[in-house]
Amino acid sequence: QQQVKQSPQSLIVQKGGISIINCAYENTAFDYFPWYQQFPGKGPALLIAIRPDVSEKKEGRFTISFNKSAKQFSLHIMDSQPGDSATYFCAASSGDKIIFGKGTRLHILP
Amino acid sequence: KAGVTQTPRYLIKTRGQQVTLSCSPISGHRSVSWYQQTPGQGLQFLFEYFSETQRNKGNFPGRFSGRQFSNSRSEMNVSTLELGDSALYLCASSFYSVNTEAFFGQGTRLTVV
Repeated sequence: QQQVKQSPQSLIVQKGGISIINCAYENTAFDYFPWYQQFPGKGPALLIAIRPDVSEKKEGRFTISFNKSAKQFSLHIMDSQPGDSATYFCAASSGDKIIFGKGTRLHILP
Repeated sequence: KAGVTQTPRYLIKTRGQQVTLSCSPISGHRSVSWYQQTPGQGLQFLFEYFSETQRNKGNFPGRFSGRQFSNSRSEMNVSTLELGDSALYLCASSFYSVNTEAFFGQGTRLTVV
C-alpha cells in the first residue's frame, strides 16, 4: 500500500523528443505528488508537483498528467535537451510521510 | 537566499561507531526532513522535525535518531554503525511539511568500513 512504482528504470530520448516517465501508487490517502530531478553529486531538486484536484499541470517544458481513478501520474518533458539528462524521481505524500519511486535515469542524445 | 547546507559532505566511519550529521535549513523554514539514498533502496524517508518536535517517522530502526534546535537547524545521529548504513544522507527543508515544496541539501556521503 505504501509503494510508488516508477517506470522505466532508464530512458534514452533523442534531442527534441518527448520524455515520458510513469508512476503508480496504491494509497488513496496520498494528496501531494512531486517530481524531483537529481544530477550526479547533487541533492534532488523539485521540478513540478500536483495535487489530486487537477488532472494536469504544466510548467515550461514539464507537464504532469494525473489520473486519480487509475492512481497513476506521469511526467512529460517536451523538446528534451541534453541538459535534461539526469535521474528523475516521482513521489507521493500524505502529509505524515513521503514515498519515492526508484528513479528513472534519463539520457538525451545530442 | 542561502540554500540547505549539510555538513560534513563526506564521512568515513568504522562499524560500531556512531555519527552525527548536521543540516541547516533555508531561513524561515521550520520543517526539516531526513532521507537515506542508496542504489538498492532508492530514496527513503527517515523522519521529519517541525518546531523542535519529531512529527513523522519512516521505517528505520531506533539506531537512527535526530533532533531539531530552536533555530530549526537539525542533526541526525546513527549509533552502532553497520556496513549497510553506507549511503547518501539528505536533508530537505520546507516551510511547513513534507507535503509542500521541499528543498534538498547536497547530502552527506557516509561510508562505513
